[in-house]
Amino acid sequence: DAGVIQSPRHEVTEMGQEVTLRCKPISGHDYLFWYRQTMMRGLELLIYFNNNVPIDDSGMPEDRFSAKMPNASFSTLKIQPSEPRDSAVYFCASSLPAGGPSRSTQYFGPGTRLTVL
Amino acid sequence: GENVEQHPSTLSVQEGDSAVIKCTYSDSASNYFPWYKQELGKRPQLIIDIRSNVGEKKDQRIAVTLNKTAKHFSLHITETQPEDSAVYFCAASMRGAQKLVFGQGTRLTINP
Repeated sequence: DAGVIQSPRHEVTEMGQEVTLRCKPISGHDYLFWYRQTMMRGLELLIYFNNNVPIDDSGMPEDRFSAKMPNASFSTLKIQPSEPRDSAVYFCASSLPAGGPSRSTQYFGPGTRLTVL
Repeated sequence: GENVEQHPSTLSVQEGDSAVIKCTYSDSASNYFPWYKQELGKRPQLIIDIRSNVGEKKDQRIAVTLNKTAKHFSLHITETQPEDSAVYFCAASMRGAQKLVFGQGTRLTINP
């Protein structure tokens, strides 16, 4: 298995532009998570999905952020309009359902490093 | 909701010595406690985890201990090596929940 796939790996954009980050979870995983990592705030959960349905979006910082999961193999995180304070590494992770020896193990993608100028 | 505190934020040890990182959690309903290692520029990866029905778990040079009464758990790395240098994150989740709440991370440096 290729693991969790994210694109792009690096994104540099100007303030005010729309940014779309993409994620493909591990096949068979029905949980998908979006995290943001910064030096100041550490690793923050933004939103997570179960079977393509958003379960908890309490970590989404504001209305400029939105996430979708149109099918089991694809999710997007969109920022519109982007601001310099959105600069961070955004990770996508996926996992199997709770229960069993692999309970709750989250497998992270390589991340997207976003820089907003 | 759950809150996880991790200490220390940075730790420097001599190669061959042991390193200990500690975490406390707030919600007594939490029952799953994984540890993730993140090397510079890489993704976090699970290195060991423990469930609330176990007090200690070992995997070669790493071990995790859990004290449910005190609501804290610790990562122990023995015979440290340069490749152990990384940021380590603890996390907690509640029974039946997939959401992990992460600590702030500990930057571990192994000095040769």
